[in-house]
Amino acid sequence: AQKVIQVWSTTSRQEGEKLTLDCSYKTSQVLYHLFWYKHLLSGEMVLLIRQMPSTIAIERSGRYSVVFQKSRKSISLVISTLQPDDSGKYFCALWERRNNNNRIFFGDGTQLVVKP
Amino acid sequence: EAAVTQSPRNKVAVTGGKVTLSCNQTNNHNNMYWYRQDTGHGLRLIHYSYGAGSTEKGDIPDGYKASRPSQENFSLILELATPSQTSVYFCASGGGTGILDSDYTFGSGTRLLVI
Repeated sequence: AQKVIQVWSTTSRQEGEKLTLDCSYKTSQVLYHLFWYKHLLSGEMVLLIRQMPSTIAIERSGRYSVVFQKSRKSISLVISTLQPDDSGKYFCALWERRNNNNRIFFGDGTQLVVKP
Repeated sequence: EAAVTQSPRNKVAVTGGKVTLSCNQTNNHNNMYWYRQDTGHGLRLIHYSYGAGSTEKGDIPDGYKASRPSQENFSLILELATPSQTSVYFCASGGGTGILDSDYTFGSGTRLLVI
């Protein structure tokens, strides 16, 4: 069963709009972290947000934030004031600590197109 | 700056040929990983390593081997490449200490086309 679920495979928005990308996850581990990554056209995978369940999100940029609902096992990425450069593929990821066998699991990604 | 470097960036291989994808990291991370990323899928784990000399099977290891000769280097080997292995391959290093043990650094990917 997939551990990280991103509902949208693709979406498009207009420049200046606000976007929320949803992600749900499944874990039975006590220690886990959640991430949002952006995959750039250059191939680079950029870390946007790391959310630890017990702490406040570490924001990569002022325009990125998360809505984290631990009880619902949900973490949404919010991008305010979209810009064309925000176009790219966004991955939600779950990292679990498992007795020295740490693993990270990725959602299928959401391709975002921002139109000028 | 600490980094993960993959080579080659692009590769065209013939079916049945041997392909080696290389990865070098300067993060001094213990753990290294090989993923493939295909349309409609997230990054799927092929092989990983906890340190020099160790390799472990990930979720989709069939058709792939891995080698970790040193802390810095981790290779992915396709002994007999097939068109189904056409994909984008990512290497990552991870496993700092404390709060950083979930930090991952990704390479820029290798685009492999098997014809």
